[in-house]
Amino acid sequence: AQSVTQPDIHITVSEGASLELRCNYSYGATPYLFWYVQSPGQGLQLLLKYFSGDTLVQGIKGFEAEFKRSQSSFNLRKPSVHWSDAAEYFCAVGNNAGNMLTFGGGTRLMVKP
Amino acid sequence: NAGVMQNPRHLVRRRGQEARLRCSPMKGHSHVYWYRQLPEEGLKFMVYLQKENIIDESGMPKERFSAEFPKEGPSILRIQQVVRGDSAAYFCASSPPESRRNTIYFGEGSWLTVV
Repeated sequence: AQSVTQPDIHITVSEGASLELRCNYSYGATPYLFWYVQSPGQGLQLLLKYFSGDTLVQGIKGFEAEFKRSQSSFNLRKPSVHWSDAAEYFCAVGNNAGNMLTFGGGTRLMVKP
Repeated sequence: NAGVMQNPRHLVRRRGQEARLRCSPMKGHSHVYWYRQLPEEGLKFMVYLQKENIIDESGMPKERFSAEFPKEGPSILRIQQVVRGDSAAYFCASSPPESRRNTIYFGEGSWLTVV
């Protein structure tokens, strides 16, 4: 069975600082991996996805993520955080069709001025 | 091109009432998924439907919950005799009919509060 772990429930960073959100997955085959962002009371917006190929994936809003098969990880990074990045971030792994997702518990990001 | 449309966005029901949540997929999408997000938790898969067919309902509670996606009209998630524990955000997603490497697109969600 597939599963996703986001070890950090809350993270606080200063505006302008770099950010890394951790995601570890468990899946028997080549995973399809996703990062979504959710603002309070809102739906989910897709930041980026990995299906195959280059293990460093670029997304929207200046985010990137790196797939590391040896570590079963797909960590999300951003070099300089903006106050508007404060939100909840969800990592997800998809089945072999990429359409049935298992989500992690989420990481709530707070940004200090 | 409108996205995935869900309504109502917010719904309040008393215990024992029925809740109906509607989802219109993106244009051209024939696959619909329902997910539930309990407070302070991630999303959990409930059910996967194509037109007039339930493909996977492994995440649906055994009782009181049902889903349909008729030939015409939106997908409906129905919760009968709601209880406080049903209070959650219910998200619908849709994807196109290609079989691989789909990306699913989420709606804005429907927030159900049971009082």
